[in-house]
Formats: sequence, structure tokens, C-alpha cells
Amino acid sequence: KNEVEQSPQNLTAQEGEFITINCSYSVGISALHWLQQHPGGGIVSLFMLSSGKKKHGRLIATINIQEKHSSLHITASHPRDSAVYICAVRAGAQKLVFGQGTRLTINP
Amino acid sequence: GAGVSQSPRYKVAKRGQDVALRCDPISGHVSLFWYQQALGQGPEFLTYFQNEAQLDKSGLPSDRFFAERPEGSVSTLKIQRTQQEDSAVYLCASSTPDSSEQYFGPGTRLTVT
Repeated sequence: KNEVEQSPQNLTAQEGEFITINCSYSVGISALHWLQQHPGGGIVSLFMLSSGKKKHGRLIATINIQEKHSSLHITASHPRDSAVYICAVRAGAQKLVFGQGTRLTINP
Repeated sequence: GAGVSQSPRYKVAKRGQDVALRCDPISGHVSLFWYQQALGQGPEFLTYFQNEAQLDKSGLPSDRFFAERPEGSVSTLKIQRTQQEDSAVYLCASSTPDSSEQYFGPGTRLTVT
């Protein structure tokens, strides 16, 4: 079993829908990251969380440390949100451990 | 420089060839990471430098993989006698030592034929 599990692996939705991507992890962590990866490989950091909730524009990230679970929400989704979303955890050391990613497609 | 840069962006190698992938981190970032991302998967850790010191190389899959950062800035990931299973995107990231935030380069897509 991977240390970081994401669900769903693939998600297709219509423009305007509310999107939720889930991440569960099995190790103690010092921080959790949500990353966005567009075709071509470039990875952009969206959020870094150690507790609670963060919001940036239409994106919201939450984390429950006790349940070892985090969610990424997108409100009023748009086709430009189509990308792979990756959850990654920092388990004490500097390195990150990544989930397998969720491929999101938003259709107009 | 504005961000982390990597070169080449694409590399095609014949099985058995040696390749060298370069990473230029953000100026002043002492921490540098290499990750390998197979098609359809999340990245996996390969190795980590703080300045010129390689502090963790536990993710290097075999002794064909070697990384260096001799002056604490630019890093090179070398793969000897490439195999088809080495085909992947190789990502480099850098950060400051007091930050959990890692800044990623665009990656080098290696295809071994």
C-alpha cells in the first residue's frame, strides 16, 4: 500500500461543478502539499498545509491530522482547471512523498 | 533567474547509452531534489542535496544512477547504460533550508529506445 493515496484517479466534470479530490496518508507528517501539473510536466505548488484550511481564489484545501486526510476543492470549475492534481507529504525529512495524482478534466 | 531550469527538456537515448541531465536551481536555494516520474504516476524521490553535500540518495534505483552538485549550485543527474525502464520525466526542485516549499523545474523527459 502506498504511503499516500489519492482518489479518484480520474475525474471528468462539467464547467461550473464543485470538485473534490481526496488524499489519505499513512505516516506522520510535518506538512502536506497540493500541487498542480499541466501537460508538459511543470509542477506548481497550490497549497502547503499543516493544519486546518486554506483558501486561494476558487481553490480550498483542508486537512484533518487525526484522520490523516486532506481534500482539495475547486468551486465553479473551469476548463482551465484541467490538470493533474498531486498530493504530497513531508514526513520529517526534507523529501516529499507523492500520491499518484488525480487527472481532472473539465468540459465546457 | 526566475525559476528552476532544466536541460535538455527532451532526451532520446538508445539503450546502453549514458545520459546527463542538468538542473539550475533558484539562486540562493541550498536544497536541491531530484525526482523521477513515470508515465501516469506521481513523482518519486531520487536524491537530495544540501549545498554540495548529498544527504540522501536512498531513492536512486540502481548504481547506474549518479548525481552530483560539486559547487553547491548546478546539479547533474547521470544515468549510465540506460535501460528502457529509465524512461520517465526527471524533475528537479529547489528550496531554502527553512522552507517546506519546493520549486519545481519543467522536467526532462527521457525516452530510452
